Amino acid sequence: GENVEQHPSTLSVQEGDSAVIKCTYSDSASNYFPWYKQELGKRPQLIIDIRSNVGEKKDQRIAVTLNKTAKHFSLHITETQPEDSAVYFCAAGLSGGYNKLIFGAGTRLAVHP
Amino acid sequence: DADVTQTPRNRITKTGKRIMLECSQTKGHDRMYWYRQDPGLGLQLIYYSFDVKDINKGEISDGYSVSRQAQAKFSLSLESAIPNQTALYFCATAPGSTDTQYFGPGTRLTVL
Repeated sequence: GENVEQHPSTLSVQEGDSAVIKCTYSDSASNYFPWYKQELGKRPQLIIDIRSNVGEKKDQRIAVTLNKTAKHFSLHITETQPEDSAVYFCAAGLSGGYNKLIFGAGTRLAVHP
Repeated sequence: DADVTQTPRNRITKTGKRIMLECSQTKGHDRMYWYRQDPGLGLQLIYYSFDVKDINKGEISDGYSVSRQAQAKFSLSLESAIPNQTALYFCATAPGSTDTQYFGPGTRLTVL
């Protein structure tokens, strides 16, 4: 089955710096890669996703890149702000009607003013 | 997101007790999921259901069972709770039209 590894487990940056979180997956059949953000005491919420037919996707200060050959994908956050502090989870799975996701272990991001 | 609700929100129980966690949704989504969250281990899939007649085991189904009573309701049971089942449990739903999963607020379960 699918296995997703996520690094680093913790990340500390200064406000305004960039943050990069990396994930690798094992199942070459996976074609859907979402990123979820979980603020302290809250539920996970989708922030961006990418499908295997594209290599990069951007949404304002966040972007995700995908390398299908190497089976890894990354989340990039630019101009970080204190409100970006949270736990970020990557996941991998199949797009479409039979969507089952396998999540990485999470990265705790701290943005210091 | 008030469209996905979980009850109870917090529960403390003793080893050997039977516990049921309930998830209800008003989104009209066919797909429902149960996850367990432990510190440093992310979200682990316990069971998932693509419609009322479909139930599938996830990564860590041992010690758990589920019931899909209706499209809107998906319950998780611990037949005989043990301390290592102490965790935060999330229910999630997804429509057939997109891949986005919507999480409930979570149930914090403590087994003494």
